Amino acid sequence: DAGVIQSPRHEVTEMGQEVTLRCKPISGHNSLFWYRQTMMRGLELLIYFNNNVPIDDSGMPEDRFSAKMPNASFSTLKIQPSEPRDSAVYFCASSFGYSTGELFFGEGSRLTVL
Amino acid sequence: GENVEQHPSTLSVQEGDSAVIKCTYSDSASNYFPWYKQELGKRPQLIIDIRSNVGEKKDQRIAVTLNKTAKHFSLHITETQPEDSAVYFCAASSGGNYQLIWGAGTKLIIKP
Repeated sequence: DAGVIQSPRHEVTEMGQEVTLRCKPISGHNSLFWYRQTMMRGLELLIYFNNNVPIDDSGMPEDRFSAKMPNASFSTLKIQPSEPRDSAVYFCASSFGYSTGELFFGEGSRLTVL
Repeated sequence: GENVEQHPSTLSVQEGDSAVIKCTYSDSASNYFPWYKQELGKRPQLIIDIRSNVGEKKDQRIAVTLNKTAKHFSLHITETQPEDSAVYFCAASSGGNYQLIWGAGTKLIIKP
């Protein structure tokens, strides 16, 4: 398996623009996570899906952020409108099962909002 | 809620020496404690994990110890090598991966 695949790897955009980050989890994994990483706040869980259903979105910063998982092999994280403070590395991760076990992270999407 | 504190924030050791990173947690119900390694510009990757029913786990040069009474767990790396240079994150959970609470990370520097 190719692992968790994220795109784009780098995104530079201007404040106010819409940003869409994409993720393909490992085949057979039924748990998917979106994380945000910054120097100031470390790793923050934004949203968690299990079997394509959002289970916990309490980490989503505000209404500008939204996430979808239309099927088991694809998820998106959208920011609209983007702001400079959204600049961060966004990681998608997947795992098998609902309980504990290894999280497999993608390479991340580095977002810079000017 | 759960809180995980990680120390030190930066650790510099001579190549070949041992390194120890410590984490404390607040929720006595926590039962799963993974450690992730993140090399510069790369993704976090699991290097070892431990569950609350054991006190120690080893994997070659890496070991994790857990003290449930004191609510702390530690990562031990022996015979450090240049490729051990990275940021290490501890985490704790009482009920599932989505409930992982992460430490702030420790930057480990291996001096040649």
